[in-house]
Amino acid sequence: GAGVSQSPSNKVTEKGKDVELRCDPISGHTALYWYRQSLGQGLEFLIYFQGNSAPDKSGLPSDRFSAERTGGSVSTLTIQRTQQEDSAVYLCASRTGSTYEQYFGPGTRLTVT
Amino acid sequence: GDSVTQMEGPVTLSEEAFLTINCTYTATGYPSLFWYVQYPGEGLQLLLKATKADDKGSNKGFEATYRKETTSFHLEKGSVQVSDSAVYFCALSDAGNNRKLIWGLGTSLAVNP
Repeated sequence: GAGVSQSPSNKVTEKGKDVELRCDPISGHTALYWYRQSLGQGLEFLIYFQGNSAPDKSGLPSDRFSAERTGGSVSTLTIQRTQQEDSAVYLCASRTGSTYEQYFGPGTRLTVT
Repeated sequence: GDSVTQMEGPVTLSEEAFLTINCTYTATGYPSLFWYVQYPGEGLQLLLKATKADDKGSNKGFEATYRKETTSFHLEKGSVQVSDSAVYFCALSDAGNNRKLIWGLGTSLAVNP
């Protein structure tokens, strides 16, 4: 079946611009996570959505980062006023409500110039 | 807070050699443990998992045993192949922490023919 999809696969933006990254989780998966993979920091948790519960935003590095999940499915991660340190691969993962295993999308490589 | 420590790479082996990648963790609860693999140019894939003490996860010839007494989850394979060349990540997930993944820094493995 279809896995987690993310778009775009690559994004180059100028410092100061806003970007939106999209994630389509596996159908039926109620939990959705965003992570960031960067050379200096490894893999870091950003935000977690579960059903209609309030999201866990504890990993967002600054108030320039926000995310939403519409209709319990698609999620968008928005980075406002991008900085060079935001350059990284942004990964989305999903899982069912009852399991621990997370399934990852291919990621969006963001480059801020 | 929870953390994962895995051996630094890169690790370089000849084909058919024995592989061990060490992973230890610190957690306040009773986490599930995972190994993920990232092949060159590809996304993160779940390799194996263990959800409680003394469980052994296995897949594709790889094994890891959840050792609560030593807080470890070392990855082993008896005979590596060139196709095993990848980056391996150890991670934990705790139900008390929204099951978000806490990651090790990754170990790069190169297998030479």
